[in-house]
Amino acid sequence: AQTVTQSQPEMSVQEAETVTLSCTYDTSESDYYLFWYKQPPSRQMILVIRQEAYKQQNATENRFSVNFQKAAKSFSLKISDSQLGDAAMYFCAYRSTLSGNTPLVFGKGTRLSVIA
Amino acid sequence: GAVVSQHPSWVICKSGTSVKIECRSLDFQATTMFWYRQFPKQSLMLMATSNEGSKATYEQGVEKDKFLINHASLTLSTLTVTSAHPEDSSFYICSATPGQYYEQYFGPGTRLTVT
Repeated sequence: AQTVTQSQPEMSVQEAETVTLSCTYDTSESDYYLFWYKQPPSRQMILVIRQEAYKQQNATENRFSVNFQKAAKSFSLKISDSQLGDAAMYFCAYRSTLSGNTPLVFGKGTRLSVIA
Repeated sequence: GAVVSQHPSWVICKSGTSVKIECRSLDFQATTMFWYRQFPKQSLMLMATSNEGSKATYEQGVEKDKFLINHASLTLSTLTVTSAHPEDSSFYICSATPGQYYEQYFGPGTRLTVT
């Protein structure tokens, strides 16, 4: 079974600075999807960024980018120019592509605080 | 597009009663819906996978007779917590997907409090 590990329970960053959240995963599959989700205090899950394993190019979405290292099974999220609204729980998630509609496997999350 | 709703957003029920939570995909047909449970300051724990017209597949340790899941149409899945107890108090989140190669879209969640 696949597992996702987020080793940083809490992180903090100064407003306008850059922060990197770590995520590692374990799988024997060669094709899969990786995601970062944001969960603000409202608890609505918001997709931040998605990476397809067969794509070597790292995904970017405005201030959010990932460093995807397939061989190392590492998938970190970089948030540039941090804003107060970035404060939230961030979950790394894995999804298999083997068959059917497979569920997401989540890490335990990293709580990000942004300091004004 | 790709909106998923949940109703109710918050429900309080008495111990021993049953409560139903609805999950609807508003602008797409969801072949599969997933139900998660989230305790405070913890991650999402998958409870079951629900395919339209089929019986739900429950994760190990989830009581299927207690958490009844029905996915009767391509836009609606329901989770019924039967004979609720205070330990069932939690945040329940559903997600839905139109298909294997599509995103999973999350509902806003339902806070259940059992007194």
